[in-house]
Amino acid sequence: EIVLTQSPATLSLSPGQRATLSCRASESVSHYLAWYQQKPGQAPRLLIYDASNRATGIPARFSGSGSGTDFTLTISSLEPEDFAVYYCQQRSNLLTFGQGTRLDIK
Amino acid sequence: HLQLQESGPGLVKPSETLFLTCTVAGGSLNSDNHYWGWIRQTPGKGLEWLGSISYSGDIYHKPSLKSRVTISVDTSKNQFFLGLNSVTAADTAVYYCAKSFGGSFDYWGQGTLVTVSS
Repeated sequence: EIVLTQSPATLSLSPGQRATLSCRASESVSHYLAWYQQKPGQAPRLLIYDASNRATGIPARFSGSGSGTDFTLTISSLEPEDFAVYYCQQRSNLLTFGQGTRLDIK
Repeated sequence: HLQLQESGPGLVKPSETLFLTCTVAGGSLNSDNHYWGWIRQTPGKGLEWLGSISYSGDIYHKPSLKSRVTISVDTSKNQFFLGLNSVTAADTAVYYCAKSFGGSFDYWGQGTLVTVSS
């Protein structure tokens, strides 16, 4: 099973700042990585698929990059509604999720 | 606009079988390009993919749960199903159904909490 490790576990930032979240795979997943946002009491929401493609309706401040084992989700300028938990997920070999990064308001 | 809705008992006794239904509205299960999946979420293990099924019945399972998980589909009712046998407290979770878009999940149900307890 491919293990995804997300860092940091918690990130505390202020609105307007840039957020950089990391996801590292235990083996290469090529570009087959997605990112999700989850708010309390809600299902996850797809943000990015195949490493760098924004899903329908996702604002341009969200961007994804990386390939192989190292991936990054960047939020260029944080809006109040962006404070949530973010998960990565690979589809290279079956499907697995990372453990999440909590993005808190500082 | 596609909508998914999980349904099933909120309480299951240990050693029994959990059975959930996902009803799809606003679209059809019959699509060559899509799979339909089950994911659960616990505080301890986070998000865990359980398995996915196509409209024609092709199934992928999480290997460690394969012996306990049954996934099936009824295209006439636009529903797919999850069975999980021999449940324990560790299976207490919020269970989600979702539409798989090339292995990513772009539409999700709201989730249903299933508690395993006597």
